[in-house]
Amino acid sequence: DAGVTQSPTHLIKTRGQQVTLRCSPKSGHDTVSWYQQALGQGPQFIFQYYEEEERQRGNFPDRFSGHQFPNYSSELNVNALLLGDSALYLCASSPYTLGTEAFFGQGTRLTVV
Amino acid sequence: AQKITQTQPGMFVQEKEAVTLDCTYDTSDPSYGLFWYKQPSSGEMIFLIYQGSYDQQNATEGRYSLNFQKARKSANLVISASQLGDSAMYFCAMREPQGGSEKLVFGKGTKLTVNP
Repeated sequence: DAGVTQSPTHLIKTRGQQVTLRCSPKSGHDTVSWYQQALGQGPQFIFQYYEEEERQRGNFPDRFSGHQFPNYSSELNVNALLLGDSALYLCASSPYTLGTEAFFGQGTRLTVV
Repeated sequence: AQKITQTQPGMFVQEKEAVTLDCTYDTSDPSYGLFWYKQPSSGEMIFLIYQGSYDQQNATEGRYSLNFQKARKSANLVISASQLGDSAMYFCAMREPQGGSEKLVFGKGTKLTVNP
């Protein structure tokens, strides 16, 4: 049983560009959450998707958007990249209610130059 | 607002010894859950252990146990018989209900170094 998978693992972009990160949840999980982890910090909640809709959003600008597909996989899009967007982006999958299960992928390390 | 506090930026332990990583939390919600994750240098957040606010017993998973003191709002992780592979960042997180869904709120982490 594959766990949470994310792609790509590393990415380098230029300021002002747009980026798309992808996540496939663990089998049996229908909810996907995205987190941003800056260097030396704990992960910060970006948003969560369930039934192809954004359920909750953290304190991130509209440049951050997402999508969930019928197979529960998800994308995170960031427009007009800033240097400060450089971080590890983590995807977490869980059942509808977080309960006792929240599993993370290996993350996508984004560097904006 | 809920928050998680990890007061130990770094901890050192000798191989085969036990170590306790501290975590305190702040919430007014009677129903919550606490998680511990390990993050090696590769970046993946590895789930270690979970404790629910209504659980009567402290959670245990192999060499990991959670010292849950509800009145003190602390949920310390105890790693017994430390191994070199335990060297990593460790994060405490709390499940936070928000508008019908839930998210995780993380502390800043503790870097554990296991010495041979």
